[in-house]
Amino acid sequence: EAQVTQNPRYLITVTGKKLTVTCSQNMNHEYMSWYRQDPGLGLRQIYYSMNVEVTDKGDVPEGYKVSRKEKRNFPLILESPSPNQTSLYFCASADRARDSETQYFGPGTRLLVL
Amino acid sequence: AQSVAQPEDQVNVAEGNPLTVKCTYSVSGNPYLFWYVQYPNRGLQFLLKYITGDNLVKGSYGFEAEFNKSQTSFHLKKPSALVSDSALYFCAVRDRGGSGGYNKLIFGAGTRLAVHP
Repeated sequence: EAQVTQNPRYLITVTGKKLTVTCSQNMNHEYMSWYRQDPGLGLRQIYYSMNVEVTDKGDVPEGYKVSRKEKRNFPLILESPSPNQTSLYFCASADRARDSETQYFGPGTRLLVL
Repeated sequence: AQSVAQPEDQVNVAEGNPLTVKCTYSVSGNPYLFWYVQYPNRGLQFLLKYITGDNLVKGSYGFEAEFNKSQTSFHLKKPSALVSDSALYFCAVRDRGGSGGYNKLIFGAGTRLAVHP
């Protein structure tokens, strides 16, 4: 089944404790990205990747890191999480690096930073 | 700057009645428009898209949307609502200005649809 998977689905952590949220897609997609969803704000892009070893900042990159060492994986790293990073996170992928018609989203990771 | 507005935080509809969830957009050039739905404790699911062609777009679960260029709107509609349609709906436009790798989606704030029996 074609899908985008994320782990973990739920995470409670404390301020300053490094964490990684994994994202994997099995569709051989070139483009991957991370969004965060906050009430009243919709989804906002954090980082994106147009291919292996090609990553760039989205609209709200502060406090986050990413890497794209393999085509299928695009982990989101929070080196020192803070309470304002409490949010619902979605990973997405698209077949082409540019001008894809549809993006596919993962199931989401709900993060609570205490 | 490109943007999407969903003017209603919540829409309440009785089961069996038609529903409309409103979306307006502001983009330069021709828009690529999308509707996504988020059911409780579920991910974001693609409903339908407008890229070009017929202004009336049909999607999943009996939903459709009408692209209106003059009013810069892309309202989501369904002729007969079901209780199971209750969810959070997001309108989005693809940013064609070059940021986000030409694939970035700009989302509205979301509209919660509540269908009552």
